[in-house]
Amino acid sequence: DQQVKQNSPSLSVQEGRISILNCDYTNSMFDYFLWYKKYPAEGPTFLISISSIKDKNEDGRFTVFLNKSAKHLSLHIVPSQPGDSAVYFCAARGVDMRFGAGTRLTVKP
Amino acid sequence: DAGVIQSPRHEVTEMGQEVTLRCKPISGHDYLFWYRQTMMRGLELLIYFNNNVPIDDSGMPEDRFSAKMPNASFSTLKIQPSEPRDSAVYFCASRKTRDTEAFFGQGTRLTVV
Repeated sequence: DQQVKQNSPSLSVQEGRISILNCDYTNSMFDYFLWYKKYPAEGPTFLISISSIKDKNEDGRFTVFLNKSAKHLSLHIVPSQPGDSAVYFCAARGVDMRFGAGTRLTVKP
Repeated sequence: DAGVIQSPRHEVTEMGQEVTLRCKPISGHDYLFWYRQTMMRGLELLIYFNNNVPIDDSGMPEDRFSAKMPNASFSTLKIQPSEPRDSAVYFCASRKTRDTEAFFGQGTRLTVV
């Protein structure tokens, strides 16, 4: 069962614009949400996280928003840079850690 | 710290053969996870350990898959016999406590022909 869903397999944006990646989850027991970034032939690396008791966390160009009532979170990247091109995985932590299918972001110069 | 180390990086094997994937977690990390990455399901949790004890193996697809963690610094994921549909990238990850982020290895790309 897919407890974490990323419904957009890909996203393409122009350099300098905002990238918005979305994620939905089904399990109310998740207490922490994370975003990971993955380049080809490498393992995923941690990017940013948010506790379930917050609705926003910001780190430089990256901001994660959490809407608990909708069981939805999003990652905003602004401004987007070509180096941000990668696959982004949403993850939810409870007793274990579940990931979505990933969204491939392409930032065009 | 060298991070999570997985071996081999690539494995090509024939259908029916036994395959063993290896993982060395970061020292001091109490949790170890095995994931499989496929196009359809993304990062799929197979099994995880806490203090070397398997906690949840409900993600292991079939009895052909087995995982062990004989000590805090080593884990294996075995597939016997392997099938072409097992072809994927397998990741190992570790985390220090329940409330910290997980760190991933570089993965093992398995191809079963």
